[in-house]
Amino acid sequence: EVQLVESGGGLVQPGGSLRLSCAASGFTFSSYSMNWVRQAPGKGLEWVSYISSSSSTIYYSDSVKGRFSISRDNAKNSLYLQMNSLRVEDTAVYYCARDVAAAGYFDNWGQGTLVTVSS
Amino acid sequence: DIVMTQSPDSLAVSLGERATINCKSIQSVLYSSNNKNYLAWYQQKPGQPPKLLIYWASTRESGVPDRFSGSGSGTDFTLTISSLQAEDVAVYFCQQYFSTPRVTFGQGTKLEIK
Repeated sequence: EVQLVESGGGLVQPGGSLRLSCAASGFTFSSYSMNWVRQAPGKGLEWVSYISSSSSTIYYSDSVKGRFSISRDNAKNSLYLQMNSLRVEDTAVYYCARDVAAAGYFDNWGQGTLVTVSS
Repeated sequence: DIVMTQSPDSLAVSLGERATINCKSIQSVLYSSNNKNYLAWYQQKPGQPPKLLIYWASTRESGVPDRFSGSGSGTDFTLTISSLQAEDVAVYFCQQYFSTPRVTFGQGTKLEIK
């Protein structure tokens, strides 16, 4: 069974940093591109970042570019999101999501981890 | 960015009746070289992550009941639930992946029981 488990969320002040993790199991993690998608409270879904299976290709949304950094460790079956210079508008549940054959749709999602940016 | 607009924002349907949700993209998501529409549908229940229902506009994900169907091409798409069940109460999102990996989602449609 495919499992994605996020961790690392919490309350942080504006300007602060957090590092999210996503532990993957039940599939060959190194074969799949991965994404972070976020959802502000009561709002819709917003794609945040993409990383290819080998980490050779990385993309960010304009809203986080220059502040967030995605990475992965295939040996540890883990995906990460380093979030710096956090803003109030970054408050959201952050999901890691598996990309199907790098097509761009997501067949498995974690349960999410809540990041709250507030003073 | 390819903007996706869903209609309606909310919908109330009686049990056993048909539910129809529309999704429109600002530009075509049909890739001419393979004749595939890069459009997916997700279901999200309260407190849960999104669940993939439909991809390539009309291909049902494994395990998804056949009362769920997707149709459309180019810029206009529809998710249809042929006979609404109580467990279908959720928010439904469309997603384009034509501009992958910079994918975008519709704003969501909240489906309730009338």
